[in-house]
Amino acid sequence: SQKIEQNSEALNIQEGKTATLTCNYTNYSPAYLQWYRQDPGRGPVFLLLIRENEKEKRKERLKVTFDTTLKQSLFHITASQPADSATYLCALDDAGGTSYGKLTFGQGTILTVHP
Amino acid sequence: NAGVMQNPRHLVRRRGQEARLRCSPMKGHSHVYWYRQLPEEGLKFMVYLQKENIIDESGMPKERFSAEFPKEGPSILRIQQVVRGDSAAYFCASSPPAGLTYEQYFGPGTRLTVT
Repeated sequence: SQKIEQNSEALNIQEGKTATLTCNYTNYSPAYLQWYRQDPGRGPVFLLLIRENEKEKRKERLKVTFDTTLKQSLFHITASQPADSATYLCALDDAGGTSYGKLTFGQGTILTVHP
Repeated sequence: NAGVMQNPRHLVRRRGQEARLRCSPMKGHSHVYWYRQLPEEGLKFMVYLQKENIIDESGMPKERFSAEFPKEGPSILRIQQVVRGDSAAYFCASSPPAGLTYEQYFGPGTRLTVT
């Protein structure tokens, strides 16, 4: 059966360090993978999208990698700040790579950055 | 440029009543998705709609749930004869016409409580 797993339910790190979150999947062949941020009581906010033919994508302090052989994506936040504390969700397209975006989400990792 | 709007933000219904949740997509977006987030669970896809068309309702429960996106007006998610298990946060997301981009923009959600 299809499964998306984010490595840990919670991750605690010190301000200034790099946070690394993992997303593993099985029995999918996604055309792209996305990362979202969700704060308590709010809807998810899109952060980054990486396509199956891309190895790495960067946006400011964020970096995402995508290894379709390992079926894994890594999400990095460098120079982390307390304001980065949130739940981070990975999501895969579940439509066989067709043009629309029926997304399947992981359970999320709660990141807490301590000052 | 207003984001995705959902109302009401909070809705309390007694068992057996009907719940109607509304979603106005971002300007220029023609695709609407509904997701449900149960307490302590991840986001689950329910239905994908375009104007006047249901494209994919594979995540919708077979009974009591329906969705529409009329030519004019917001998208509506309707739950008839609500039960306690329907208590959850319901999120709507929208995206531009297919092929332009695949990220989704989420509304703030409607928190449904069934008493």
